[in-house]
Amino acid sequence: EAGVAQSPRYKIIEKRQSVAFWCNPISGHATLYWYQQILGQGPKLLIQFQNNGVVDDSQLPKDRFSAERLKGVDSTLKIQPAKLEDSAVYLCASSRDFDTDTQYFGPGTRLTVL
Amino acid sequence: DAKTTQPTSMDCAEGRAANLPCNHSTISGNEYVYWYRQIHSQGPQYIIHGLKNNETNEMASLIITEDRKSSTLILPHATLRDTAVYYCIVRVQYGNKLVFGAGTILRVKS
Repeated sequence: EAGVAQSPRYKIIEKRQSVAFWCNPISGHATLYWYQQILGQGPKLLIQFQNNGVVDDSQLPKDRFSAERLKGVDSTLKIQPAKLEDSAVYLCASSRDFDTDTQYFGPGTRLTVL
Repeated sequence: DAKTTQPTSMDCAEGRAANLPCNHSTISGNEYVYWYRQIHSQGPQYIIHGLKNNETNEMASLIITEDRKSSTLILPHATLRDTAVYYCIVRVQYGNKLVFGAGTILRVKS
């Protein structure tokens, strides 16, 4: 079974630019998560989707971050405009359902904002 | 917010058992204990979880105290590839939300 795919793996941009990350979850997984991991810290949940609906986006900085999962499969996370403090690894994870199932993580996208 | 306390770092000799402790003194009756690990430059990887009984799988064993206020993850024969950050997470069954703390850096040395 293929794992969670993410692209790009690395991205370097200047502050105030825009950037987008893509995630393709494990086939058949209804729930998709985006996490932000700042260097030296554990991952922090940004947004959680169940199929194409948002379940939890309480930690998403909505003035600059947006995410969508239009067809209930792959997802895109966007930052516009980026700030220096957005430098982090952005991790995507998926699970079969909303409730009890294990989350499987992708390799992440490392963003550097200069 | 994270509800667990873990040591910042631990060392273990290759081939020996690695015992990683976790305190979760405020755990509720419906909350599970989950363990994930994160190898450098990779996403977190699920290891094991449990409610109140001890659990074992091909990767590790999880020992939960009777009062459920603490647990220990055991890697029976640590290898260099087990060097990673290990996260202990307390999670309610419904909602599947993981709240990560800083974890324990386990260094396995030859």
